[in-house]
Parts: sequence; C-alpha cells; structure tokens
Amino acid sequence: DARVTQTPRDKVTEMGQEVTMRCQPILGHNTVFWYRQTMMQGLELLAYFRNRAPLDDSGMPKDRFSAEMPDATLATLKIQPSEPRDSAVYFCASGLGTVQRYNEQFFGPGTRLTVL
Amino acid sequence: QKEVEQNSGPLSVPEGAIASLNCTYSDRGSQSFFWYRQYSGKSPELIMFIYSNGDKEDGRFTAQLNKASQYVSLLIRDSQPSDSATYLCAVYNYGQNFVFGPGTRLSVLP
Repeated sequence: DARVTQTPRDKVTEMGQEVTMRCQPILGHNTVFWYRQTMMQGLELLAYFRNRAPLDDSGMPKDRFSAEMPDATLATLKIQPSEPRDSAVYFCASGLGTVQRYNEQFFGPGTRLTVL
Repeated sequence: QKEVEQNSGPLSVPEGAIASLNCTYSDRGSQSFFWYRQYSGKSPELIMFIYSNGDKEDGRFTAQLNKASQYVSLLIRDSQPSDSATYLCAVYNYGQNFVFGPGTRLSVLP
C-alpha cells in the first residue's frame, strides 16, 4: 500500500532552534510538494520539486526556510531559526507531474510543528 | 494582492441533492485550477484539476471553469453524508504561487 510518509509527526521546539522535517514520496512519483496549514492563513503551497529540481519555491520565506531533495526517496524542509509564527501543520505530497495525471497527488499525514 | 474567494459556509444540502461550490479569483493570468477536499483533522486530498474553459467530469464530481468571468465551481451529484468536508479551491499562475481560498464547509444531511 503505497503512501507518503512524513517524520516527525509532531515536533515541539523552542524559538531559535533548527527544525528539519522529512518526507518520503511514493516510489516512482517525480513531483513533490510542501504545504503549510494554519487556522489563520489556511493552506499555502511553500515549494515543489519535479525530478528533484526545485520548480517553484515562491511561497517559502527564503531567509529561514530551505527545501531540498537529496535523492528521489527523500525531501526535506528545514527552518532555521524557527519562530512561533512557524507553528503549523506541514504537509508533503507527491504525484506524477504530467498534465494528464496531475490530479493524482497524494498527501502525507503531516508534521504538526509547535514553536514555543 | 491576488485573491481567491469562497463562501465559508456551512453549505447544507440533503442527501442525494447536487452540491454546488463556487470560487472566484482575481488574477486573470491564472492558468490552472484545483479543488481539494479535507475532512476534519485529516490531510487534504486533490480531487479535481482543470485548466480549460468548460466542464470536466470525474465520477460524481464536475468542475466548471469560466475564465472570462473568473470563476470555477465544483458540482457534486448525488451528495452523500461522506462528502461532508471542507472544499478548498486553489488557483495557479505558472511562475507564480498557488493561491488557496479559505474553503467552503459542506454538510450533507441524511
């Protein structure tokens, strides 16, 4: 049963600390997305990759956030330094990046981040 | 400021009826349009994607796009209680960011 996995599921940290969230996309998927959801801002797309290359990260605060795909089985989202306003649920999703199959996008369970 | 607007709801429809969810957007250059469904406390699911004017059907779901009027809608035929969820509209202009609407909460009453 193929699914997107995310670790950790929950993270509580203190302001100023570095946070790294990991995502394992579904094997064979060539597109990976990072989303953030809060009650105030709703759902936001932070970045997405196709074939491990960043295609769009315009939604991501560049000064403290970074997203990478060191290999096809791992995507990371890093926040350094973290701030209380970064508290949110961070979702990773993977899919196949052709127009015909773009509506097949599978979400992971999310990482709930709390920055104190 | 590019905006995507949706009625927050809740939109209540009886079981078996057609649920109509609407979304308007401000960026005329938008090219791709998405509908996500999210059950309370769960991850979102991408349920429809449309980029051409007109209708796109997938099972009980139909997405309708009218670029001239800058709206996209989602129709759910034969609504079931299991369709009760929040539906999020998103709009994308290539090279720029996705913009999400605030979501419409749908309640299908048995």
